[in-house]
Amino acid sequence: EAGVVQSPRYKIIEKKQPVAFWCNPISGHNTLYWYLQNLGQGPELLIRYENEEAVDDSQLPKDRFSAERLKGVDSTLKIQPAELGDSAVYLCASSPRREGSGELFFGEGSRLTVL
Amino acid sequence: DAKTTQPNSMESNEEEPVHLPCNHSTISGTDYIHWYRQLPSQGPEYVIHGLTSNVNNRMASLAIAEDRKSSTLILHRATLRDAAVYYCIGGTSYGKLTFGQGTILTVHP
Repeated sequence: EAGVVQSPRYKIIEKKQPVAFWCNPISGHNTLYWYLQNLGQGPELLIRYENEEAVDDSQLPKDRFSAERLKGVDSTLKIQPAELGDSAVYLCASSPRREGSGELFFGEGSRLTVL
Repeated sequence: DAKTTQPNSMESNEEEPVHLPCNHSTISGTDYIHWYRQLPSQGPEYVIHGLTSNVNNRMASLAIAEDRKSSTLILHRATLRDAAVYYCIGGTSYGKLTFGQGTILTVHP
C-alpha cells in the first residue's frame, strides 16, 4: 500500500513569491494534517482536516497561508507571499479516524528554502 | 495535550538495550502516550502508544508508570538504524499530537 505522498520534495524560491505543496494521503484515511518543522525542532500542527472540513486551523497564519481539501482526499497548502522565515519542512500526515488508534502516517515532507 | 519532558540526547551501543525516559506529570486520565521517531530527512514514524498498561510491538516496548506521570520506551537491541530523534507525546487517541523537541539517540557500532 502506498504511503502518504508529498510533492515537491524540495523547493527554492525568492521571497515574496508564491509556493504550493501537494499531499495525497493514504487511501481511506479521513483525517489529514499539515505540520511545519523548523530545523532542530519538532513538528508543529498547522491545520487538521476531517474529510473536507478544517476542524483545527488555529495555528495556520491565515494572512499568507491557505489550505484546501476540496474532495476530502488530497490537499494543497499554499503560501503567498513567502517570507524568509517560512524556510522549513512542510509535513503532511494522515490517519484513519478510529477510536483508540493514535497512529499518524507521515509523508517525507517538502523542504522549502526562501532566498 | 500534556506537556512532556525528555532528555535532549542519549547514547547507546549497538545490540544493547536502550531505555528512553519521558515525564508527563500533567497528563489527563484520557490522554494516550505516543512515541514517534524521526530519521534524518524523513517524516516522523509511529513507534508505539498506550494508555495504562505496558505495550509491546515488533519495534519496541512501552512501560508506563502506575501513576502515569512517566513512561519509558524500550528498544530491546539497538541497531544503527535506530539512530533517530524520539518524540514522546501525550495526547488524544486519534491523533492531534503536539511534538516537543524529542531525544536524539546516537547508536555506536
